[in-house]
Amino acid sequence: GQQLNQSPQSMFIQEGEDVSMNCTSSSIFNTWLWYKQDPGEGPVLLIALYKAGELTSNGRLTAQFGITRKDSFLNISASIPSDVGIYFCAGQRRRGGSEKLVFGKGTKLTVNP
Amino acid sequence: GAVVSQHPSWVICKSGTSVKIECRSLDFQATTMFWYRQFPKQSLMLMATSNEGSKATYEQGVEKDKFLINHASLTLSTLTVTSAHPEDSSFYICSANSGRGALRDTQYFGPGTRLTVL
Repeated sequence: GQQLNQSPQSMFIQEGEDVSMNCTSSSIFNTWLWYKQDPGEGPVLLIALYKAGELTSNGRLTAQFGITRKDSFLNISASIPSDVGIYFCAGQRRRGGSEKLVFGKGTKLTVNP
Repeated sequence: GAVVSQHPSWVICKSGTSVKIECRSLDFQATTMFWYRQFPKQSLMLMATSNEGSKATYEQGVEKDKFLINHASLTLSTLTVTSAHPEDSSFYICSANSGRGALRDTQYFGPGTRLTVL
């Protein structure tokens, strides 16, 4: 199945540092979502983006929906140890929870105290 | 609100046996449920989409006779892995959507089921 191109694959950072990861696609998506998955758990929604150019924040997390609708990025500011996990981007062709999600390959984040 | 549960959380079975995994929406009615498979260190791959009361729609490459999906009620979908083999060992995750109200745009994920086939 199709997957989104997500980078970097993994990141090792010090507590307090900022983090940035991004996702690109060869085709247009009209909804971009960012999830976090802890080991042995299902993904949890962090941020949803519905409009091209939209910039949305959720606490220390900020995500943007690219103007071309083919990319999105997620920033985490002032990282803390509990930010450790795998972050996935996901796209939908149309807005709506009944629409299929296409996932990126994930970015594994390690935060050193 | 919007809690999805899965049962069992892990299962070990012998090759050739069938295993049933349940996905329940605990505090909302799910008109649509999705089943994903996730191999170690990989992303989630959609297996099928199921709407309550109708046949599931399978993704390309997913054998519908091997992965039987039943969405008989608005709060329950089941995935049965028939004649399981070691290559079916994986983390199976469901998600659910209500299709209405404030929850209509979001899929809520269950905690996953770890299947190991010996």
